[in-house]
Amino acid sequence: DAGITQSPRYKITETGRQVTLMCHQTWSHSYMFWYRQDLGHGLRLIYYSAAADITDKGEVPDGYVVSRSKTENFPLTLESATRSQTSVYFCASSKGQGVGQYFGPGTRLTVT
Amino acid sequence: GQQVMQIPQYQHVQEGEDFTTYCNSSTTLSNIQWYKQRPGGHPVFLIQLVKSGEVKKQKRLTFQFGEAKKNSSLHITATQTTDVGTYFCAGLKTGANNLFFGTGTRLTVIP
Repeated sequence: DAGITQSPRYKITETGRQVTLMCHQTWSHSYMFWYRQDLGHGLRLIYYSAAADITDKGEVPDGYVVSRSKTENFPLTLESATRSQTSVYFCASSKGQGVGQYFGPGTRLTVT
Repeated sequence: GQQVMQIPQYQHVQEGEDFTTYCNSSTTLSNIQWYKQRPGGHPVFLIQLVKSGEVKKQKRLTFQFGEAKKNSSLHITATQTTDVGTYFCAGLKTGANNLFFGTGTRLTVIP
């Protein structure tokens, strides 16, 4: 049972490049989430999705794009990466809103 | 600004001592969740509290939700080295669609 996976686990990219982080879950959870984790800020929600083709902004959505054409996948794209987007990105899923979330292993992204 | 405040930011304890972390919100929460993140790992869901004044226990861990549903605490009795990590609370504001995570309390247990 793979649960929730993220790829790549580590990524180094240059300022201005487009980067896509992948997230895949095998539980058929309705909700999926993208967070970034930075020292001093904890976990901040970027985007979330209640179901396929339904997405909504979180606390820090600027500079990011998401899509959800299939229930199991929720890719996050940085259209033009900036140094301030250097962070650890976590994908999570849950059965519903307001219930426990299950996190992937994270992607450590460095923008140079 | 920060929606959910968590204190302390860091805590060092001797193995066997107790540990408590507190979570406070300025607004009423419909529920609160607690997560643990080991160093280098990802957050792991521990528990969810929904009712005013609710108390739940998981072995040496005791979770409380305040009567006003604006604060919560996690207490660990007789810490062990396996308790090391960062503990996050996450609150769901009444009428909101997403969780707000606290900044976490990093626990170090000295053997």
